[in-house]
Amino acid sequence: NAGVIQTPRHKVTGKGQEATLWCEPISGHSAVFWYRQTIVQGLEFLTYFRNQAPIDDSGMPKERFSAQMPNQSHSTLKIQSTQPQDSAVYLCASSFLGVNQDTQYFGPGTRLLVL
Amino acid sequence: GDQVEQSPSALSLHEGTGSALRCNFTTTMRAVQWFRKNSRGSLINLFYLASGTKENGRLKSAFDSKERYSTLHIRDAQLEDSGTYFCAAEAEGSALGRLHFGAGTQLIVIP
Repeated sequence: NAGVIQTPRHKVTGKGQEATLWCEPISGHSAVFWYRQTIVQGLEFLTYFRNQAPIDDSGMPKERFSAQMPNQSHSTLKIQSTQPQDSAVYLCASSFLGVNQDTQYFGPGTRLLVL
Repeated sequence: GDQVEQSPSALSLHEGTGSALRCNFTTTMRAVQWFRKNSRGSLINLFYLASGTKENGRLKSAFDSKERYSTLHIRDAQLEDSGTYFCAAEAEGSALGRLHFGAGTQLIVIP
């Protein structure tokens, strides 16, 4: 079991460019979560999918950010027109979301730097 | 977020000693997880609790939903325990699985 896989591990973009982050959940897990970590805000929830359907995106910035889960084996987080304040570590987690099996397993994160 | 208050923010322990980390919740939580960030920056699962206590080696965690707190006890601290520890909890009424994180406790174990 390779755990949750996130690619790329590091990404540097110029202001105004687009960034796409990838997440491959643990096989068999029904839920995928996206979080963002910054020094100022700490770890913040962004959005989550269950059985590929979007359930809660209340943590997502209303503009420029979007997430998709086209199949059960991967999810993407896309940031359009990146800004320096988008610089953060973006973490993906997956979970079985069954009775007493809600433990979330985190990937290593993608460190995004917007210059 | 501000629903989870984690303390202390930093802690130094001599090898072989122990202490406790605590998270207080401003709302009722249905479950809590504890993580340690390893040297590569990855969050390593320590515990998941919906109630009661769990123990794993030198670590023990407790969660009281009614009293709105969780603790992580470390005994016989070793150098490799150094790192940042986070608690994260699922709030009653929020989307199942959505975690609210504490700010973390930076633990340094001193030889």
